[in-house]
Amino acid sequence: EIVLTQSPDTLSLSPGERATLSCRASQSISINYLAWYQQKPGQAPRLLIAGASTRAAGIPDRFSGSGSGKEFTLTISRLEPEDFAVYYCQQYGGSPPFTFGPGTKVEIK
Amino acid sequence: QVHLQESGPGLVKPSETLSLTCAVSGGAVSSGDFYWIWIRQPPGKGLEYIGYIYHTGSTNYLPSFRSRVSISVDTSKNQFSLSLRSVSVADTAVYFCARVFVPGYNFYGMDVWGRGTTVTVSS
Repeated sequence: EIVLTQSPDTLSLSPGERATLSCRASQSISINYLAWYQQKPGQAPRLLIAGASTRAAGIPDRFSGSGSGKEFTLTISRLEPEDFAVYYCQQYGGSPPFTFGPGTKVEIK
Repeated sequence: QVHLQESGPGLVKPSETLSLTCAVSGGAVSSGDFYWIWIRQPPGKGLEYIGYIYHTGSTNYLPSFRSRVSISVDTSKNQFSLSLRSVSVADTAVYFCARVFVPGYNFYGMDVWGRGTTVTVSS
């Protein structure tokens, strides 16, 4: 099983600041098979990034993804008030085919 | 625009079977470009994969659920369903259905989600 670890657990930042979220895999995964999601309280997750760096439809360009192998990063260039949420990375293709990281909460400082 | 809508009982007794349905509108479950998936989220916790079904009827389940879960698809009703047997309080969670975009066996993420339905296991 591919285990995903996310850091930090919580990121306390102010609007306008840059957020850098890390996702580490227990074994190398294809960049094509790494996705990021945003979840706000009481809502379903929303796809932000697929293929490690391709923004989903309608996602603002302040969100960007990068990385390869075992290390991946989600960057929010300038935090907007609506960006404070929990972010999950997710991999496809291992066994089981889908696993999620434990999430990083981005909270208002 | 594709929409997914979960439905089913919000309260299930321990040892009984949890049954949920996900109705798909604006798209077809018979499309070969998608997996149809169930994910759950216990209160205050993260996301957990349960299993998925492909339009052919082939399925994949998380090993820890395999002995008591089944996912089926009804193309005539354009919906898919989850059945989880012998539930316990540990199965209390928000259950989400979602669509996974996998054209040509590529992966483009879980791009459409239902709003989720809360299931409580309690006597």
